[in-house]
Amino acid sequence: EPEVTQTPSHQVTQMGQEVILRCVPISNHLYFYWYRQILGQKVEFLVSFYNNEISEKSEIFDDQFSVERPDGSNFTLKIRSTKLEDSAMYFCASKLRWEIYEQYFGPGTRLTVT
Amino acid sequence: AQSVTQPDIHITVSEGASLELRCNYSYGATPYLFWYVQSPGQGLQLLLKYFSGDTLVQGIKGFEAEFKRSQSSFNLRKPSVHWSDAAEYFCAVGREERGSQGNLIFGKGTKLSVKP
Repeated sequence: EPEVTQTPSHQVTQMGQEVILRCVPISNHLYFYWYRQILGQKVEFLVSFYNNEISEKSEIFDDQFSVERPDGSNFTLKIRSTKLEDSAMYFCASKLRWEIYEQYFGPGTRLTVT
Repeated sequence: AQSVTQPDIHITVSEGASLELRCNYSYGATPYLFWYVQSPGQGLQLLLKYFSGDTLVQGIKGFEAEFKRSQSSFNLRKPSVHWSDAAEYFCAVGREERGSQGNLIFGKGTKLSVKP
C-alpha cells in the first residue's frame, strides 16, 4: 500500500541553524501539507501546497519557514534559523484531490533544537 | 473558527473492556470527521472517517464511531480493547472555511492505556 515517507526520523540541531525536513508524498496525490506537534500539544497545521505553490499557511508559518517541491517526488520544509520553540514532531501529509478530505500522514520527523 | 475538543487527556481501561473516547466539534454545517491513532514513535494512522450517510461508521481494528449532530459529537468506540490498542487517539475535522485548502483541525488527543 502506498505511504508517505519522511526523513530523517530524528534531527538534532543547534539554535540558529538551518534544517530541511524531507517528505515523499504518495505518488499520485496533488495536495501536500505540513503539520507540527509540540510535545504534549495538539497537531497544528502549518502549510498546504498545491500546483507548486503555497495555497494556505497558518500564523505559525512565518518567514523562517519555507516549502518546496524540488522534483516530482520530494516535498521539503525548511526552517532557516531554528529556535528552541521549533522543537516538535513535524508531519507531512498528502491527499489525492481537493474534494477528498482524507489525508495520509507520514511517520513524522522529531526535531530537537538545542 | 472550527475547533475540536477531546475532554479526556488520559484513559485507562482493562483488556477486554469496552472503550469510548469522546470528541466534540464546533461547526455549523455537516463536518468531515476523522479519528487517527498514533502509536509510540509512529505516524498518524487513519482509523475511520465520516463524510455523510450512515451516522455509525466502521473503521479498522474493530473501531467504530457515531456522528451525533444534535450533540456535535463523534465518539469513538470499541467493544473489547486489546493491549495493542494502547496509543494516542486524535479526533480531527476537515476545515471548511472559505479559502481553506481542507487542512485538518485536531483535538489535543486522548492517551489510552490498557491494563492486563
